[in-house]
Amino acid sequence: EDQVTQSPEALRLQEGESSSLNCSYTVSGLRGLFWYRQDPGKGPEFLFTLYSAGEEKEKERLKATLTKKESFLHITAPKPEDSATYLCAVQPGYSSASKIIFGSGTRLSIRP
Amino acid sequence: KAGVTQTPRYLIKTRGQQVTLSCSPISGHRSVSWYQQTPGQGLQFLFEYFSETQRNKGNFPGRFSGRQFSNSRSEMNVSTLELGDSALYLCASSPGQLTDTQYFGPGTRLTVL
Repeated sequence: EDQVTQSPEALRLQEGESSSLNCSYTVSGLRGLFWYRQDPGKGPEFLFTLYSAGEEKEKERLKATLTKKESFLHITAPKPEDSATYLCAVQPGYSSASKIIFGSGTRLSIRP
Repeated sequence: KAGVTQTPRYLIKTRGQQVTLSCSPISGHRSVSWYQQTPGQGLQFLFEYFSETQRNKGNFPGRFSGRQFSNSRSEMNVSTLELGDSALYLCASSPGQLTDTQYFGPGTRLTVL
């Protein structure tokens, strides 16, 4: 069964303290892996798409990496405004590819 | 470019009623997907429409249905509402290719009393 697992469920960091969020997945083929940020009461905001193992993408203090079994979202020197829930999602590589599967998210809190 | 819009933003209904939610995708996007988000189950895929045809469907009962119009706008309907249908309903649009990124709207918060 296709599955996406994110860890940790919640993470509290001090401002400037770098860390990583994990997304492990099992899926029949991988067409794409997505990272989103979601603020309370709002829809998810797109961050990155990764397509193949070894791929990396960066945006400001965030860097996403992908292996054959997991993805990491590295946060460097975070600021309080980076506090949000970070969601990982995978897109299967078979006929139901439009059926995106989301993980339960990591709630990130950055203390000033 | 305007983002995905959803109406209404908030809705309160009672058990047994039905509800229709609306989603207007980003201009030029032909695919619209619907998701249900709850604290216990997270984000769950409902269905996806592309060029007025349902291309994929999640594991939800038949009370949940949708449609897409020729201008790509989409509606989602839930009949015979249950308390457990209380959730944030999110719509996402993409250009239409299976590898395209999905962009989400702000959601409709449905409360069933």
